[in-house]
Order: sequence, then structure tokens, then C-alpha cells
Amino acid sequence: EDKVVQSPLSLVVHEGDTVTLNCSYEVTNFRSLLWYKQEKKAPTFLFMLTSSGIEKKSGRLSSILDKKELFSILNITATQTGDSAIYLCAFPSRGDSNYQLIWGAGTKLIIKP
Amino acid sequence: NAGVTQTPKFRILKIGQSMTLQCTQDMNHNYMYWYRQDPGMGLKLIYYSVGAGITDKGEVPNGYNVSRSTTEDFPLRLELAAPSQTSVYFCASSYALRETQYFGPGTRLLVL
Repeated sequence: EDKVVQSPLSLVVHEGDTVTLNCSYEVTNFRSLLWYKQEKKAPTFLFMLTSSGIEKKSGRLSSILDKKELFSILNITATQTGDSAIYLCAFPSRGDSNYQLIWGAGTKLIIKP
Repeated sequence: NAGVTQTPKFRILKIGQSMTLQCTQDMNHNYMYWYRQDPGMGLKLIYYSVGAGITDKGEVPNGYNVSRSTTEDFPLRLELAAPSQTSVYFCASSYALRETQYFGPGTRLLVL
């Protein structure tokens, strides 16, 4: 059964700190891994990773995938209070009929001023 | 049990034309979503709905409208098509937010 596990479940740091969030997965037919940020409403897309070892970067956020060890990390440097959110990883999986999106439980990140 | 169905599978629109993408699910899910996926990108949420009569904007709602008059149906309307709306559109549903989402086969839209 396909599954994704995120760690830690929650994290509290001070503004300016660097954080690393983990996502490990077991997928029978891996195609891509997606990172999302959820503040109040539905998740917003951050990164899609398909190739091992290639870093995706957007401002202070970066992510990398290790297909051999079956995990991905999301790094946030110089954290700000606006980074407080739930960070989710997800992957597309082929279900009985069509495509499914399987979500991890998320990491709740709290940035203290 | 058909899951999530979408029509049409493919459509070409001229700039300024309008169309409705249809989405139906038979799993009695409360949550439904519309995503677009551009080449090499992940899914971006356009609109979502938490139940009949309730819809809310996602990340990229501009140029689109939705309605949810029944639990089963969640159509997406493009009023004035623009080339930037060329994409693949996926409809999905889930029992609850962030539970496994079940996707339709997608609609490929080309705006010329």
C-alpha cells in the first residue's frame, strides 16, 4: 500500500532559524512528489520533484528528493512568522480507476517572533 | 462505481470564448476541487468546495468561476478564454480536506 510519512509532526522555532522538514514515502510506481503549504484554507503548491538530487528553490525555500532512500526534505532558511503553516507532502498514485493524490499528515510549523 | 468523471477530454477554444468543464463524482464526497496543471508543474488549486452551495477560491481563481448546486457536480466555468488558460484541468474529490483525493481523467484545454 502506498504511503507517505512526514516528520516531525510539529515544530516550534524562533524567527531567523533554519528548519528542515522530512517526507519519506513508499510508492509502487513513483512519478513525482509534491510539497504544499497550508495556512488557513486549502493547500498552496510549493514544489514538484521528479528527479533525484536536483534541488528546487524558491526564495528561502528549497527542496530536494532522494529516490534511492525514498525521502524528500523541505528547507526553510531565515524563517519569518509568515512561514507558520502546515507543510504537506503528497504524491500522485494510480488508484483502481484514475489518479489519486495521497497526502502526508503534515508538519505544523510555528515561528515565534 | 465510476469515481470522478470529467467532460470533455479535449477542447480547443478561441480567445474570448466561454466554456464549462463538467465534473461529477458518485462517491458522496463532500469536498471537490479543481486544479490546473501546466507542463512540468505540480497541481495548482483553482477553486474548491466543502459541500453543496459552498465554494471557495484556491491559489489561481482569476478567470474562472464555479458552482456546486449538488453533492455530485462541480462545474468549472471559463468566461473569456485566454492563452494563459491553456492547461490540463483536473477535478478531484475527497471525503475530507487533505484526505486522499480521487481525480478525474482530466480535460486538456488549448486556447488559441
